[in-house]
Amino acid sequence: QVQLVQSGAEVKEPGASLKVSCKASGYTFTGYYFHWVRQAPGQGLEWMGWINPNSGITNYAQKFQGRVTMTRDTSITTASMELSRLRSDDTAVYYCARGSNSLYPVLYYFDYWGQGALVTVSS
Amino acid sequence: QSALTQPPSVSGSPGQSVTISCTGTSSDIGYYNRVSWYQQPPGTAPKLMIYEVSNRPSGVPARFSGSKSGNTASLTISGLQTEDEAEYYCCSYTSSSTYVVFGGGTKLTVL
Repeated sequence: QVQLVQSGAEVKEPGASLKVSCKASGYTFTGYYFHWVRQAPGQGLEWMGWINPNSGITNYAQKFQGRVTMTRDTSITTASMELSRLRSDDTAVYYCARGSNSLYPVLYYFDYWGQGALVTVSS
Repeated sequence: QSALTQPPSVSGSPGQSVTISCTGTSSDIGYYNRVSWYQQPPGTAPKLMIYEVSNRPSGVPARFSGSKSGNTASLTISGLQTEDEAEYYCCSYTSSSTYVVFGGGTKLTVL
């Protein structure tokens, strides 16, 4: 069965960087887009961007341009998301989510989700 | 403030039907059939319930249905069950540089 297992919770200081990983199993890793979505405590969902694990091509929401980098390592079927210059309002649960077929233009829905990684930004 | 507008809460009794609305603009819901709905019980990851306005993934009960009219999408849950109690989020592709917008979420209470 499809599983996305994320790295654990982290505490970061303002100005630092975070890197969250997402290990995929149960399907062809390169066959589907990966998206990253975050959720601040008690708040709604916010989409950050996607990576095509087949080509490595990425697309980020304008809000995160210049601060976010999404990568993938096909040898270990793992996608990662790095966010730099952290601020207190980056405190959130970060989710990876599987998207649509990577052979076609991206469709923006997310059918499997990781368990989430809580990142707390505090001095 | 979320880009898509949902009612903060809805409620219903077991066996009844409820509809959750999601209002956007002509730049998102009104133009694209790229609306999806997610169910999120407390402390868990979201789960896809509806995609491309009205399609149900395998494993999602037929009690869940989606529709769209103009700039408003709707999720209808018929035959309410206690396990349906959760937060529900709508989502749409948008022509803006954010690409994806979510609603603020609707808390469904099954009385």
